[in-house]
Amino acid sequence: DVKVTQSSRYLVKRTGEKVFLECVQDMDHENMFWYRQDPGLGLRLIYFSYDVKMKEKGDIPEGYSVSREKKERFSLILESASTNQTSMYLCASSLSGSYGYTFGSGTRLTVV
Amino acid sequence: EDQVTQSPEALRLQEGESSSLNCSYTVSGLRGLFWYRQDPGKGPEFLFTLYSAGEEKEKERLKATLTKKESFLHITAPKPEDSATYLCAVRTSGGSYIPTFGRGTSLIVHP
Repeated sequence: DVKVTQSSRYLVKRTGEKVFLECVQDMDHENMFWYRQDPGLGLRLIYFSYDVKMKEKGDIPEGYSVSREKKERFSLILESASTNQTSMYLCASSLSGSYGYTFGSGTRLTVV
Repeated sequence: EDQVTQSPEALRLQEGESSSLNCSYTVSGLRGLFWYRQDPGKGPEFLFTLYSAGEEKEKERLKATLTKKESFLHITAPKPEDSATYLCAVRTSGGSYIPTFGRGTSLIVHP
């Protein structure tokens, strides 16, 4: 069964910390995505990548960066965590734009 | 701007009471409409892709249909385990292949 694995289900970090969220897929997918999901706001795209070392800004990239050094791994970095980055973070991958996403289980991040 | 609207926001059903969820869209050049199911605290799970008006897909008690302006997710004789949030997403032909997500319908099925 194909999988997208996010390294942590729950994470608590302090304001100002640098935070790394890791995502690994085992499906040889070209495209990978990072979303955040907040009540009442739905899914919002932070960054996406359509190839190794390539990245594109989504709708809300401010305060985030990403890294894709290998095809299977896409990392989201919060340079200096703030309380307004408390959220559920979802990683996804897809074979191409014509296909649906496979999502990870999510990381619920709390910044205190 | 592409718009995807799901209705209702929340739906409560009794077990066995069939109903439909709606996903309406105002986009140019539909390239795919996707349905997902999301359980609380988990990532969305892909259900269906529909590409053209008149297309239908089925999975157990779920049936998705597509017209030129909307999609319906029909739930026949639902069970409590069908309780979840159902999301739709629309991909268009214009530029980016990134789909636009609706905000979802929260379904609760009471035993």
